[in-house]
Amino acid sequence: DAKTTQPPSMDCAEGRAANLPCNHSTISGNEYVYWYRQIHSQGPQYIIHGLKNNETNEMASLIITEDRKSSTLILPHATLRDTAVYYCIVRVSYNTDKLIFGTGTRLQVFP
Amino acid sequence: DTAVSQTPKYLVTQMGNDKSIKCEQNLGHDTMYWYKQDSKKFLKIMFSYNNKELIINETVPNRFSPKSPDKAHLNLHINSLELGDSAVYFCASSQLLVNSNTEAFFGQGTRLTVV
Repeated sequence: DAKTTQPPSMDCAEGRAANLPCNHSTISGNEYVYWYRQIHSQGPQYIIHGLKNNETNEMASLIITEDRKSSTLILPHATLRDTAVYYCIVRVSYNTDKLIFGTGTRLQVFP
Repeated sequence: DTAVSQTPKYLVTQMGNDKSIKCEQNLGHDTMYWYKQDSKKFLKIMFSYNNKELIINETVPNRFSPKSPDKAHLNLHINSLELGDSAVYFCASSQLLVNSNTEAFFGQGTRLTVV
């Protein structure tokens, strides 16, 4: 699975959009981009995933660049409860079936 | 209803003991996993089972023995516990992937402390 690079930490004001970048320059054509988050010491929680097109769900939006070498997770209106570690993962699973977590980005939402 | 549930939530035990952590999922998934999160917060896969068969073993010491009595359960038994086994252990489940279009659901973790 391709390696991902994320900034170790970011801050965001409550109510503003949080834009979390991820670099995955070695991604291959059949690898999806997944985002999970871990709030405090709870279990990781799925947020969103995509292959080529931008995706949106009730939690977030995922913007993937045309060359697929990077992506951005957008939390449109961050709340204090969005404070967590956010993991960007690229995954191909026809052969193996596992998520490889990096070090993630610690997002701190402040009042 | 909790989708993936683990018991116990906390486990404190002495070195050398044998302990088990249980995991159950009610999502109808056919694949279950154990992940370990160490003190530096790295999350790393240990095992994956599909329909009760082991499909991933990430060079985990053989003191760790997963057991899957059915596809809704994956228990983790640890023999001769060592200080370095102290960590948070997460169980997860998903559908086995022929494609990549699915997600994994995680339990709330079991914090194991070996003293």
